[in-house]
Amino acid sequence: SAVISQKPSRDICQRGTSLTIQCQVDSQVTMMFWYRQQPGQSLTLIATANQGSEATYESGFVIDKFPISRPNLTFSTLTVSNMSPEDSSIYLCSVAPGQAETQYFGPGTRLLVL
Amino acid sequence: GENVEQHPSTLSVQEGDSAVIKCTYSDSASNYFPWYKQELGKGPQLIIDIRSNVGEKKDQRIAVTLNKTAKHFSLHITETQPEDSAVYFCAASKRGSSNTGKLIFGQGTTLQVKP
Repeated sequence: SAVISQKPSRDICQRGTSLTIQCQVDSQVTMMFWYRQQPGQSLTLIATANQGSEATYESGFVIDKFPISRPNLTFSTLTVSNMSPEDSSIYLCSVAPGQAETQYFGPGTRLLVL
Repeated sequence: GENVEQHPSTLSVQEGDSAVIKCTYSDSASNYFPWYKQELGKGPQLIIDIRSNVGEKKDQRIAVTLNKTAKHFSLHITETQPEDSAVYFCAASKRGSSNTGKLIFGQGTTLQVKP
């Protein structure tokens, strides 16, 4: 497995602003992912964070709204841009160590947009 | 695209009873099926997983069964305890030469174990 931390753990933001969420892993991992979990809902993949290249976004998610960085094999950031109340969610990063398909999740960032 | 249906949405059992959660998937190419437990205020925790070349896997009080023909898999928790109370998610993915590891999640089951 892997030890994953996220910052901030929670935040309350004003609409129109942006928030950058950090994800740190205790070991080098090939695959990192960002998910959104809307209140009381399941998890939806936003994008795969690729080291050294642009992130791969899922249908319904665009780079302008959710820019992602992956500067190395242990760190990634997700920015939620120009926020609206509909962006209030839990944002989770996950990692898949090695070439295995098993994913481990961080504790999440709980975002409330007013 | 791939779709995963999970039932029931809520489940209440008495302590010591068994709990069963069922999922069906649509993509017959799916070959990896993990289960996650999410406690309030925490991220999902992997509790057990199964691959398509195996029909059943057990880890202490938790077991998962897979029926590839029917495209469904189930989580079985025996001798439930109050600390098993949480939201449980099933998921499916397919591992291939170009796979990105995308997990498709079910809708979740809120399990309540009454003391």
